[in-house]
Amino acid sequence: EIVLTQSPGTLSLSPGERATLSCRASQSVSSNYLAWYQQKPGQAPRLLIYGASSRATGIPDRFSGSGSGTDFTLTINRLEPEDLAVYYCQQYGGSPRTFGQGTKVEIK
Amino acid sequence: EVQLVQSGAEVKKPGESLKISCKGSGYSFTSYWIGWVRQMPGKGLEWMGIIYPADSDTRYSPSFQGQVTISADKSISTAYLQWSSLKASDTAIYYCARHYGSGSYNSPLGYWGQGTLVTVSS
Repeated sequence: EIVLTQSPGTLSLSPGERATLSCRASQSVSSNYLAWYQQKPGQAPRLLIYGASSRATGIPDRFSGSGSGTDFTLTINRLEPEDLAVYYCQQYGGSPRTFGQGTKVEIK
Repeated sequence: EVQLVQSGAEVKKPGESLKISCKGSGYSFTSYWIGWVRQMPGKGLEWMGIIYPADSDTRYSPSFQGQVTISADKSISTAYLQWSSLKASDTAIYYCARHYGSGSYNSPLGYWGQGTLVTVSS
């Protein structure tokens, strides 16, 4: 099973700043099958990024993903108050699929 | 518009059985894998398993194998998650979610249901 470790646990930033979230895998993620999800309080998760760097339909270009192999990054430019959420990475190349433990983004 | 509508909240006692549902609409139900994800109170997301409604090919996470059963009825575009004997530790929100890509086993979860809260308490 591929273990995904996200850091930091919590990120507290001001509106307009850039957030950089990390996801590290215990082994190489096949074909960069790595996704990022956003879960706002009281809501279901929403797909942001798939294939490590492709934005899902309707996702603003403030959100970008990068990385390969075992190290992946989600970057949120120009933070907005609505970006308050927990962000999860997930690998979907190995079995079973696994999620990271999440990074909480707080807006100051 | 793709929609996944899940059944309502449930309150059950330990040892009882339960089957919750997830009805898909706005797309070809048999063309996309549907997965189930658990979220225990205040915790993160856990991938439970997925099913391909066209032929009911089902894959489970080892953590959930034997603990739950995933099924689908393509005639009514509905997927199910069921327990034969609930435990207090099954208390959680359960989400169904459809794969983003058609027919692809290797795909992220692109469309999510609203979640079903299952509470197991004596």
